[in-house]
Amino acid sequence: QKEVEQNSGPLSVPEGAIASLNCTYSDRGSQSFFWYRQYSGKSPELIMFIYSNGDKEDGRFTAQLNKASQYVSLLIRDSQPSDSATYLCAVNPLDFGNEKLTFGTGTRLTIIP
Amino acid sequence: DTGVSQDPRHKITKRGQNVTFRCDPISEHNRLYWYRQTLGQGPEFLTYFQNEAQLEKSRLLSDRFSAERPKGSFSTLEIQRTEQGDSAMYLCASSLAAGPYEQYFGPGTRLTVT
Repeated sequence: QKEVEQNSGPLSVPEGAIASLNCTYSDRGSQSFFWYRQYSGKSPELIMFIYSNGDKEDGRFTAQLNKASQYVSLLIRDSQPSDSATYLCAVNPLDFGNEKLTFGTGTRLTIIP
Repeated sequence: DTGVSQDPRHKITKRGQNVTFRCDPISEHNRLYWYRQTLGQGPEFLTYFQNEAQLEKSRLLSDRFSAERPKGSFSTLEIQRTEQGDSAMYLCASSLAAGPYEQYFGPGTRLTVT
């Protein structure tokens, strides 16, 4: 079983709509959760992190965390063509000596003008 | 304010040669991480340092790979006797040793082994 699972997509969303990206994780000890955006040929760029159950909003982005269901999601409102990228979900168990990020394979998002 | 920097950005080498990559973290960050990413996959953890101490190494890191951070600032990753399977993007990230430990990535070094 993969530790962090994402739907690889591609996910196509019309411009101006809401894009919803989902991620599940297997390690119940995971403490913090990150969303990275990666454009083709570039390195990952941190866009959101969350560590408490519930929603966290930052501009057009909302991260949602449900630790009981081991589920984290990212909503992008008013999607723009510049949002077209691969979105990587990452989790960190935050155990001392085990604080690496474990990534999913990413969801490729395409915003259709 | 400068982010994480990596050098070189691209490296083409022949199988069997040794290569070394450098990473300079964000100046106030005392944690430094190395990841490797292949096409269609998420980054995979290789190793990380807090200051000059190497705290964890992945099982992915064979004996041909070695990483150092001698003065707790920049780090180097060396691959000896490169193989074609080593072709990947090598990513460096840094973070503070506190809080949710959000990691910021450098631009990466793309290695091609021919």
